[in-house]
Amino acid sequence: AQTVTQSQPEMSVQEAETVTLSCTYDTSESDYYLFWYKQPPSRQMILVIRQEAYKQQNATENRFSVNFQKAAKSFSLKISDSQLGDAAMYFCAYRSGRRGTGTASKLTFGTGTRLQVTL
Amino acid sequence: DTAVSQTPKYLVTQMGNDKSIKCEQNLGHDTMYWYKQDSKKFLKIMFSYNNKELIINETVPNRFSPKSPDKAHLNLHINSLELGDSAVYFCASSQYRVQPQHFGDGTRLSIL
Repeated sequence: AQTVTQSQPEMSVQEAETVTLSCTYDTSESDYYLFWYKQPPSRQMILVIRQEAYKQQNATENRFSVNFQKAAKSFSLKISDSQLGDAAMYFCAYRSGRRGTGTASKLTFGTGTRLQVTL
Repeated sequence: DTAVSQTPKYLVTQMGNDKSIKCEQNLGHDTMYWYKQDSKKFLKIMFSYNNKELIINETVPNRFSPKSPDKAHLNLHINSLELGDSAVYFCASSQYRVQPQHFGDGTRLSIL
């Protein structure tokens, strides 16, 4: 079974600075997808960024980028120019790329990292 | 235009009652999911339907019964509610294995 580990329960960053949230995962599969979701106090689950395992290039979305190290099974999220609105819980998630089985489509989440943004 | 909508947003009820949570998506997706987020914020899959067919049924008490009348709707019925059922329940949808999952705003269930 796949597992996702987020070893930082809480992180803090000053406004306009850069912060990196770490995520490691364990899988025997070679085809899979990785995601970062943001959950602000409003409780919504918002997709921040996704990465396909077959792509060597790291995904970027505006101020958000990932460092995907497939051999190390590491998938960290970098937030540049942090803003007050970035304060939230951040969840790393894994989804199998296997075809043909329904269970492959489920997301397996890490335990989350609470990010505080200070002035 | 809300993509994935859940009702109600808050549900407060007593132990032993039966309650339902409804979910609807207007994204045209063919797969829908129920996740449970516990008090420590941990999210875990419960069920998934693809084109009205149950494809994921994790280790969930049989007091929980999902129903998908069509591929745009997935409801969750819970019988004989227990204190441990208190959590936030999220509905999500995706185009099977292709697109990321889009989540509803969650339903906070509180058992008194």
